[in-house]
Amino acid sequence: QVKLLQSGAALVKPGDSVKMSCKASGYTFTDYIIHWVKQSHGKSLEWIGYINPYSGGTNYNEKFKSKATLTVDKSSSTAYMEFSRLTSEDSAIYYCARVGIKGFDYWGQGVMVTVSS
Amino acid sequence: DVVLTQTPSTLSATIGQSVSISCRSSQSLLDSAGNTYLYWYLQRPGQSPQLLIYLVSNLGSGVPNRFSGSGSGTDFTLKISGVEAEDLGVYYCMQATHAPLTFGSGTKLEIK
Repeated sequence: QVKLLQSGAALVKPGDSVKMSCKASGYTFTDYIIHWVKQSHGKSLEWIGYINPYSGGTNYNEKFKSKATLTVDKSSSTAYMEFSRLTSEDSAIYYCARVGIKGFDYWGQGVMVTVSS
Repeated sequence: DVVLTQTPSTLSATIGQSVSISCRSSQSLLDSAGNTYLYWYLQRPGQSPQLLIYLVSNLGSGVPNRFSGSGSGTDFTLKISGVEAEDLGVYYCMQATHAPLTFGSGTKLEIK
């Protein structure tokens, strides 16, 4: 069955970067675009951007353009998101999600990132 | 950016009660090709969001038919006909017609 398995929680210092992963299984990785979504504690969802695993093409929310970098490794069916120059505002849960004809049909379990000195 | 306003922010229901959630958009979500990219998701406590409704009124795979979606243009509604205990959580609408993709602020459903 389709699964998106994300990397574990991260505790990082202000100003540092964090790179998280989203490993896909149960389908052909290059057939579906992967999106990334941020959920700050107790708040709603914010779209960060997406990557096309087939072409490597990306599209970012302007708000996150200088903050997030999306990449993929087709050989391991894994999508990555690197978040740079972290501040306390970046403490959140980050989800990857596959988009099909029906929208975001499968989601990863989320990665909790805590930014603290 | 398109703002999606959900009402109410909190909803309290008894088992078997029917409830509705409204999602109002700051712009029409009908695109030039005649498509309306409006979706509904449920996030149960401690879980990732899951798809309920796609393209306004289509039921996601495995979603019970007590859930239904309707609306057009800027006004959309999610209805639950006969709430069950497993329906508790936060409901979000999402639009993908206009960039950037945006989500509503959420409606928390509590079971009395």
